[in-house]
Amino acid sequence: DAGVTQSPTHLIKTRGQQVTLRCSPISGHKSVSWYQQVLGQGPQFIFQYYEKEERGRGNFPDRFSARQFPNYSSELNVNALLLGDSALYLCASSSDYDRGNHYGYTFGSGTRLTVV
Amino acid sequence: AQSVSQHNHHVILSEAASLELGCNYSYGGTVNLFWYVQYPGQHLQLLLKYFSGDPLVKGIKGFEAEFIKSKFSFNLRKPSVQWSDTAEYFCAVTPYNAGNMLTFGGGTRLMVKP
Repeated sequence: DAGVTQSPTHLIKTRGQQVTLRCSPISGHKSVSWYQQVLGQGPQFIFQYYEKEERGRGNFPDRFSARQFPNYSSELNVNALLLGDSALYLCASSSDYDRGNHYGYTFGSGTRLTVV
Repeated sequence: AQSVSQHNHHVILSEAASLELGCNYSYGGTVNLFWYVQYPGQHLQLLLKYFSGDPLVKGIKGFEAEFIKSKFSFNLRKPSVQWSDTAEYFCAVTPYNAGNMLTFGGGTRLMVKP
């Protein structure tokens, strides 16, 4: 079984540009979440989608947006890039969405974004 | 908003030594707790999780963690580490009924000397 796949693996962008990162969840997983991991820190929650609907949003500016497609893959868009957006962007999938318990994610290897 | 503190940023141990990594969280209600591990060059993997019941949780590769509600702690332990345990370890918490939004600690980088 393929795991969570993310593309591209590395990306270099200039300040002010826009970037789109892509994620394909594990087959059968309907929930996709995005996290930002700045070097030396733990991952920080950005978005969660389930069945194509946004189910949660972290403390990120409106420059960050995402969507989930009918096949459950997802895109994360970041507009007007800043130097501080340089980070590893992680996608995680889970089989379900439960307002009670959380059953754990499967993470992808991430997209390393460098803004210069 | 909840937060997670991992007080040990870097830990160096010799093989066969015992390991305990600290994790404290701030949230007054019911929580789900997790430890994730990131081996060099690999993606984050779930080590173990706690929802309810027995506060001593056993995970993969001989790891265990103990939830102490009164101390808001969820420390990770392993009786005897191996060189292959060299990795970065992240504690994470999500309040019950908050969906899948994890709050991670800053991580602890463990190096095991052969």
